[in-house]
Amino acid sequence: AQRVTQPEKLLSVFKGAPVELKCNYSYSGSPELFWYVQYSRQRLQLLLRHISRESIKGFTADLNKGETSFHLKKPFAQEEDSAMYYCALRGGAAGNKLTFGGGTRVLVKP
Amino acid sequence: EAGVTQFPSHSVIEKGQTVTLRCDPISGHDNLYWYRRVMGKEIKFLLHFVKESKQDESGMPNNRFLAERTGGTYSTLKVQPAELEDSGVYFCASSQVLAGGRGTQYFGPGTRLLVL
Repeated sequence: AQRVTQPEKLLSVFKGAPVELKCNYSYSGSPELFWYVQYSRQRLQLLLRHISRESIKGFTADLNKGETSFHLKKPFAQEEDSAMYYCALRGGAAGNKLTFGGGTRVLVKP
Repeated sequence: EAGVTQFPSHSVIEKGQTVTLRCDPISGHDNLYWYRRVMGKEIKFLLHFVKESKQDESGMPNNRFLAERTGGTYSTLKVQPAELEDSGVYFCASSQVLAGGRGTQYFGPGTRLLVL
């Protein structure tokens, strides 16, 4: 069975401080990992995916297969980063469906 | 380009009633997914259509839920009869079928369902 765990329900940081959202997964094969974000009053949208290896809005995430983690990081948080963040996994054997973590709410204080 | 749309945005019904949710995917997206988030829980997969065929319905909670996608365009998710535990936000997502890979899933705004 595949599972995604986001241990922090809430992260509160000051503007300009680093932020790291933890994501751990369990999956026996080679998964695809994603971070989705939902800003206030907006729909869920893809932030980044591990296969792209890109930085979006200053965020990066590295897939660590040894630790089965896909933590999301940003060195200098901005107020507009305040949102709900979801880590998600898509496994080959399980088809196209996404398995989500419980989400982490990020609050960036001025 | 219009994104995934869902109707209604909110629905409040009484236990035992029937509710039908609608999802219009992005034009040209053959993959259509339904997910839901119940209070305090994570977003969970319900089912996946490829065009009009159900590819995976392993997440459907019970036979009170019926999803259709006639003609391979929009989809409906009917809950009959609704129970209190069905309250939550129902999301629809769509993606392209890409050769050699799987497309990004684009989500709709969700339908917030409250069963009283």
